Amino acid sequence: GDSVTQMEGPVTLSEEACLTINCTYTATGYPSLFWYVQYPGEGLQLLLKATKADDKGSNKGFEATYRKETTSFHLEKGSVQVSDSAVYFCALNNFNKFYFGSGTKLNVKP
Amino acid sequence: NAGVTQTPKFQVLKTGQSMTLQCAQDMNHEYMSWYRQDPGMGLRLIHYSVGAGITDQGEVPNGYNVSRSTTEDFPLRLLSAAPSQTSVYFCASSHKLGGSYNEQFFGPGTRLTVL
Repeated sequence: GDSVTQMEGPVTLSEEACLTINCTYTATGYPSLFWYVQYPGEGLQLLLKATKADDKGSNKGFEATYRKETTSFHLEKGSVQVSDSAVYFCALNNFNKFYFGSGTKLNVKP
Repeated sequence: NAGVTQTPKFQVLKTGQSMTLQCAQDMNHEYMSWYRQDPGMGLRLIHYSVGAGITDQGEVPNGYNVSRSTTEDFPLRLLSAAPSQTSVYFCASSHKLGGSYNEQFFGPGTRLTVL
């Protein structure tokens, strides 16, 4: 069946460091891909999305490119801030079902 | 718009009790879904609905029932609660864009403990 695998955390970085959170997927057909962010005590919020191969999603300095050849959708940011501390989830939508990765907690220290 | 609302925020049940988690959305979204979030396992789809009168199972449907009598409401019923159902439950809604379901809007969650 369809699934999403993302790197385990927690990831701890200093402010202004570069961030990469790896995400790979398994799916039949042509899924849409998403990154969601969850702040403590809240529900998930969409961070960015890509609906077809080679699309790049971007928002708030975060980027991810839909790579069909490597079935990946890695999340990147060039300079993280303390306010980026949260849990990040990679997800896909295929045939009316959404599948989420296990989440990666990011801690950014001043 | 209130978005997606869930009640209650917290609930403690005893094994064998039943209850209904409420979910409502005011965005006229055709797609609604329920997830449970457990440590280290991300979100897992319990049930989903693509419109009033239509429901289908997700990854972990056992022990849960749903119905969709209106576009706005999508309640989740636990018929006989078990400790394994202790979790945080999220409801979400979405709409089709370009032929596929797009961004999901999540409610604030319900933290359920079963003793």
